[in-house]
Amino acid sequence: GENVEQHPSTLSVQEGDSAVIKCTYSDSASNYFPWYKQELGKGPQLIIDIRSNVGEKKDQRIAVTLNKTAKHFSLHITETQPEDSAVYFCAAVDQTGANNLFFGTGTRLTVIP
Amino acid sequence: GAGVSQSPSNKVTEKGKDVELRCDPISGHTALYWYRQSLGQGLEFLIYFQGNSAPDKSGLPSDRFSAERTGGSVSTLTIQRTQQEDSAVYLCASSLAGADTQYFGPGTRLTVL
Repeated sequence: GENVEQHPSTLSVQEGDSAVIKCTYSDSASNYFPWYKQELGKGPQLIIDIRSNVGEKKDQRIAVTLNKTAKHFSLHITETQPEDSAVYFCAAVDQTGANNLFFGTGTRLTVIP
Repeated sequence: GAGVSQSPSNKVTEKGKDVELRCDPISGHTALYWYRQSLGQGLEFLIYFQGNSAPDKSGLPSDRFSAERTGGSVSTLTIQRTQQEDSAVYLCASSLAGADTQYFGPGTRLTVL
């Protein structure tokens, strides 16, 4: 099955700086890669996703890049704000199959005011 | 509109007791997923329902775990003879169809004493 690795496990940045979280996956059949943000006591919330036919996608301060050859994808947050502090999870899935997501182990991002 | 809801939000039980966790998916979503999130870990897939098809139970960790989805809507996850290692946050997600974005509920935090 799919194996997703995520780094770093914790990340602290100064407000206004950029944050980058990286993930690798093992199954070349995976074709959908969502990123979720989880705040304390809440369920994961989708913040951005990318499909395998696209190399990059951007939504305001958030962007995701995908390298299918190397089987890795990254989340980029620019101009970080204290409210960006949360745990971020990457995931991968082969949507032609069962569609159950395989998650990374999460990155705890802290934005220091 | 209303998102995915789960109940109870917290459940404390004694080892050996049975528990039932409930998930109400987003109206009209045909796919429903259960995941487990242990402390400091990523999300682990448990079971997947898609319409009237037989569920994908490949992620259930033991035969003490079972789930039902009645009328293609509400789902109940049952854990029999709970063990301390069952303590975790149980998250439910739904999607419009099998290959669409998954939206998560707030989770049920289960503590087995």
